[in-house]
Amino acid sequence: SSVLSQSPSVSVAPGQTARITCGGHDIGSKTVHWYQQRPGQAPLLVVYDDSDRPSGIPERFSGSKSSTTAALTISRVEAGDEADYYCQVWDSSSDSYVFGSGTKVTVL
Amino acid sequence: QVQPVQSGAEVKKPGSSVKVSCKASEDTFSKYTISWVRQAPGQGLEWMGRIIPVFGTISYAQKFQGRLTITADESTTTAYMELSSLRSEDTAIYYCARVRNNWFAPWGQGTLVTVSS
Repeated sequence: SSVLSQSPSVSVAPGQTARITCGGHDIGSKTVHWYQQRPGQAPLLVVYDDSDRPSGIPERFSGSKSSTTAALTISRVEAGDEADYYCQVWDSSSDSYVFGSGTKVTVL
Repeated sequence: QVQPVQSGAEVKKPGSSVKVSCKASEDTFSKYTISWVRQAPGQGLEWMGRIIPVFGTISYAQKFQGRLTITADESTTTAYMELSSLRSEDTAIYYCARVRNNWFAPWGQGTLVTVSS
């Protein structure tokens, strides 16, 4: 099945931009979703279908994807954005769901 | 979206089984899939399996084949995850989540299962 790679951590100052990447085999052909997980909380969907935002998610969160990498960008970072972020795809070859290893975003 | 409500924390002995419940909305039960995901302490998210309640269709991640049983009771719109032959490595928070178009939302609040002798 697929393996999704994420950098372990990203540090960013308030007001700056954080970019979290997700790589994996043939990710360009897969649809990518992103989740935010604050400490002690359940995950929360922040981007679905590569670049769409659920209602209630600020426009500061945006998703993109190239043939080799998917990315979640958080603009104008706030203290409340400090969390773990996971990418996720559905792997058709194994008919299973795969999550990335997660990226911890620290707001300085 | 109505958050699924899960049963409370459990402490189990190695070798025993645990059954966690997930009460979802009628809308979820009639239209969508429910998946189970676990998270070991300090670790990432791991998909375990899913059920389509309206069809009774079930699939499991290969890692859990033979040890995991997912069921659903339409009369109470409650899904269940039962994991057997528990070992210390199964200590984790177990989440249920509605799955729509292969994305997960909303998630239950999570159930901590501790396996300890």
